[in-house]
Amino acid sequence: DQQVKQNSPSLSVQEGRISILNCDYTNSMFDYFLWYKKYPAEGPTFLISISSIKDKNEDGRFTVFLNKSAKHLSLHIVPSQPGDSAVYFCAAVPSGGYQKVTFGTGTKLQVIP
Amino acid sequence: ETGVTQTPRHLVMGMTNKKSLKCEQHLGHNAMYWYKQSAKKPLELMFVYSLEERVENNSVPSRFSPECPNSSHLFLHLHTLQPEDSALYLCASSLGSSGGAGAKNIQYFGAGTRLSVL
Repeated sequence: DQQVKQNSPSLSVQEGRISILNCDYTNSMFDYFLWYKKYPAEGPTFLISISSIKDKNEDGRFTVFLNKSAKHLSLHIVPSQPGDSAVYFCAAVPSGGYQKVTFGTGTKLQVIP
Repeated sequence: ETGVTQTPRHLVMGMTNKKSLKCEQHLGHNAMYWYKQSAKKPLELMFVYSLEERVENNSVPSRFSPECPNSSHLFLHLHTLQPEDSALYLCASSLGSSGGAGAKNIQYFGAGTRLSVL
């Protein structure tokens, strides 16, 4: 039972345009959400996060939106750059207890120059 | 050296071998984690250590045995593995280990060990 789902395994976007990566979750106990980025032969690196008390968090070209009622979050990258080409993982953390992060399967983004 | 370092980067072993994966973090963090990533599957949390004490064992078979001698080092001892254990094993660390929001709970990952079991 996959509690965090990224239904698009891949996405291609022209340089300069907006990239939108989507993530859905099923567990209402999740209250903190993160996006990680992974280049080949490297470990995932933290990109941006959002707490369930917010619906938007912005950091430079990256914005994460959270729709709690729909149990959906999205990552917007604008403008997209070739260096953004990587696999993006959505992750969720429940409130309380120890940190048991649940990851999605990832979306491979290719930004075409 | 910065961040989280994992060795070896690649490992090939037979089903009867014993080997160990090593993880070292230079970030002053208090929590460390082992994850498994199989092809086309999400990262699966295996173990969580907080201040050198194992606080989570996510139903992992006993042929995987973690060890955390201090807050900077984490090992994963492997014994009589199966071919289906072939995967990328990732180590991570964070300042805190509690659930919920907060920068202290952001995990920093090593580059992983690519394990092949023949």
